[in-house]
Amino acid sequence: EAAVTQSPRSKVAVTGGKVTLSCHQTNNHDYMYWYRQDTGHGLRLIHYSYVADSTEKGDIPDGYKASRPSQENFSLILELASLSQTAVYFCASSGKGVSNERLFFGHGTKLSVL
Amino acid sequence: GQQVQQSPASLVLQEGENAELQCNFSSTATQLQWFYQSPGGSLVSLLSNPSGTKHTGRLTSTTVTKERRSSLHISSSQTTDSGTYLCAIENSGTYQRFGTGTKLQVVP
Repeated sequence: EAAVTQSPRSKVAVTGGKVTLSCHQTNNHDYMYWYRQDTGHGLRLIHYSYVADSTEKGDIPDGYKASRPSQENFSLILELASLSQTAVYFCASSGKGVSNERLFFGHGTKLSVL
Repeated sequence: GQQVQQSPASLVLQEGENAELQCNFSSTATQLQWFYQSPGGSLVSLLSNPSGTKHTGRLTSTTVTKERRSSLHISSSQTTDSGTYLCAIENSGTYQRFGTGTKLQVVP
């Protein structure tokens, strides 16, 4: 079973501060994703990457940056955290392209911005 | 962009009853997956079914691509089936977009 590890599991941040969420996968997957989950909105894609040193925008990229320094690691960066970014963040990975490949999720990071 | 609608929003069943969950989407899907989210929040892929019918254990998914809909049938529900069921759709060459889910509660 694919292993996707997120850190931290929860975080409290102050408005205007910088937050970095980290994700590590051990299954040699090409694709990695960052989703956020809010009540009433389901999961929405922020950024994704299909190769190291390259990232792509998802549906809601504003206010977020992403970094893929290696195949195994994918970070989500909030340069200036805002109240509206309070949510649960999920990292996921999959094999070559999403078609016919399962998504494997991490356990999520609960972020509270105060 | 792709819109994914799931129904019902919530469902309460007696243990042993069957459940039928629906997923409707606005654009052609090249990939469709059903996910289970536990009450604790963890997400697991249940099955992938972009077209036709697939079975795994007590789960059966039927996707009618032309009609842009998919269903997930859970037979003989158990209390451990309680949680949220999410449908996710991919258009060709993009990424998966999720519906808002169906929250299922199975009571003894």
